[in-house]
Amino acid sequence: DQQVKQNSPSLSVQEGRISILNCDYTNSMFDYFLWYKKYPAEGPTFLISISSIKDKNEDGRFTVFLNKSAKHLSLHIVPSQPGDSAVYFCAASDTNAGKSTFGDGTTLTVKP
Amino acid sequence: EAGVAQSPRYKIIEKRQSVAFWCNPISGHATLYWYQQILGQGPKLLIQFQNNGVVDDSQLPKDRFSAERLKGVDSTLKIQPAKLEDSAVYLCASSTQRWGERDTRNTEAFFGQGTRLTVV
Repeated sequence: DQQVKQNSPSLSVQEGRISILNCDYTNSMFDYFLWYKKYPAEGPTFLISISSIKDKNEDGRFTVFLNKSAKHLSLHIVPSQPGDSAVYFCAASDTNAGKSTFGDGTTLTVKP
Repeated sequence: EAGVAQSPRYKIIEKRQSVAFWCNPISGHATLYWYQQILGQGPKLLIQFQNNGVVDDSQLPKDRFSAERLKGVDSTLKIQPAKLEDSAVYLCASSTQRWGERDTRNTEAFFGQGTRLTVV
């Protein structure tokens, strides 16, 4: 039972356009959500997060939106740059239970 | 600030052999995680320590995997005996987060580069 799902294994966008990466979860106890970026041969690095008490968090070109009723979050990257090409993982945490779960990732390719 | 250190970076062993991985977390981080990442999948939590106590080891195959975090700092993960399906990248991460505490502040995890294990 995969509690965090990233249904698009890959996404390709043109430089300068918007990239939208999606993530769905099933566990209603999740109260904190994170996006990580991973380059080949490196460990994931933290990108942006959002608490369940918010519906939007913005950091420069990156914005995360949370729709609790739909159990859905999305990461928007505007404008997309070639250096954004990487695997993006969505992660969700149940703070009280001390559990965190990752999705399987979406490979983003930004074409010059 | 030094990051999470892991060694070795790569390891190739035959099935039924044993292997150990080492992790040195960021100084002062209470929580340490070991994840297994199989090719094409996301990291799967194996075990989570807070200081030197285990918070969650529900997904650790305890018949062959073991982990310890003596003195609440460095950690080792051992596999004995290894199986072909253990081939994966083993990631160590640490964070300042303290689970289960009132008003704990959610924080991100910092990952090491991982150890790529190939079992042949």
